[in-house]
Amino acid sequence: GAGVSQSPSNKVTEKGKDVELRCDPISGHTALYWYRQSLGQGLEFLIYFQGNSAPDKSGLPSDRFSAERTGGSVSTLTIQRTQQEDSAVYLCASSPASVSYNEQFFGPGTRLTVL
Amino acid sequence: AQKVTQAQTEISVVEKEDVTLDCVYETRDTTYYLFWYKQPPSGELVFLIRRNSFDEQNEISGRYSWNFQKSTSSFNFTITASQVVDSAVYFCALIFTGGGNKLTFGTGTQLKVEL
Repeated sequence: GAGVSQSPSNKVTEKGKDVELRCDPISGHTALYWYRQSLGQGLEFLIYFQGNSAPDKSGLPSDRFSAERTGGSVSTLTIQRTQQEDSAVYLCASSPASVSYNEQFFGPGTRLTVL
Repeated sequence: AQKVTQAQTEISVVEKEDVTLDCVYETRDTTYYLFWYKQPPSGELVFLIRRNSFDEQNEISGRYSWNFQKSTSSFNFTITASQVVDSAVYFCALIFTGGGNKLTFGTGTQLKVEL
């Protein structure tokens, strides 16, 4: 079956612009996660959704970052007024349920470059 | 504090050598889950194994084996008879029950297998 998909695969933007990154989880997966991978910070958690609600937003680095999920499916991560330090690969993952022992299936990521 | 340490930044081996990737974790929780993920050059994180804190039985899957030792807080990964296709970055990760469902990753070990 189809895995987690993310779009765009690459995004180049200018400092100060807003960007939206999209994640399509595996059908039927109720839990969705956003992570960020950068050279300086490694792999870090951003936000977790169970259904359409986000019980854990603790990893969002600033109020310029927000995310939503609609219909218990697609999620969008929005970064406002992008900064150069936002350059990273943004990874989305989904899992069948909210229990912590479930494997998280990762998408290919969106590489964001802020000039 | 919850933490995962992968002290080996990069390992280079010749094909058919055995190689062990080290992972040491810290958590105050008695219930937690440990994971290994592989990130090949294509970039997508691939799940390899999950272990819960109550199951210290070692596991073997083909050329892969895992040694979980609670006494030393380690969850090491061995590849037997390495192959060029094993070249990737390998991440150890932790989910602790007091921290929601987010994965806490180590910094990864880059494995290079050469002919």
